[in-house]
Amino acid sequence: DGGITQSPKYLFRKEGQNVTLSCEQNLNHDAMYWYRQDPGQGLRLIYYSQIVNDFQKGDIAEGYSVSREKKESFPLTVTSAQKNPTAFYLCASSIEGKGKETQYFGPGTRLLVL
Amino acid sequence: GQQVMQIPQYQHVQEGEDFTTYCNSSTTLSNIQWYKQRPGGHPVFLIQLVKSGEVKKQKRLTFQFGEAKKNSSLHITATQTTDVGTYFCGGNAGNMLTFGGGTRLMVKP
Repeated sequence: DGGITQSPKYLFRKEGQNVTLSCEQNLNHDAMYWYRQDPGQGLRLIYYSQIVNDFQKGDIAEGYSVSREKKESFPLTVTSAQKNPTAFYLCASSIEGKGKETQYFGPGTRLLVL
Repeated sequence: GQQVMQIPQYQHVQEGEDFTTYCNSSTTLSNIQWYKQRPGGHPVFLIQLVKSGEVKKQKRLTFQFGEAKKNSSLHITATQTTDVGTYFCGGNAGNMLTFGGGTRLMVKP
């Protein structure tokens, strides 16, 4: 069964804590993306990667970090420097990372700050 | 940088009424995509428009791409409760999609 999986579904973060959100895909896509969605808001790009061991900052990268050590995995770390992390985080992938491709989204992770 | 604006932000309709959401870009686009996100769900691809003035239909949904390739619209005829959700446009002016803020559609039965 092909697709994108994200875990956990819900995540709670304490003040000053780093947390990592998982994103895995078995679609054999080169490109992967992380978006942040706030209530009633659109999708804002945090980071994207078009190839293994390479990634680029999106519009709101401050306070976040990523790695792309494997083609199928693109974890996102929300660091303590991100002062307002409560949001819905969506991971997506596409074949090559060019703007004419369909993006396939995972089910998302809701991050809440305690 | 490129900006993509969507209006309206919210729309309440009675079941059976029509609905339209509009997407406007600050720059000329190579292509535009539309996605639907059901409440509590994730965005799902609906369609892509590439040509100037292009019109595509999917059952009750009609998608248009403006002649100048800077705006687009999604029109739903005779809405149903299954149409509920947020509709996003994503415009590509280089090599990356920039999403609009979305239009949340609510349908009263």
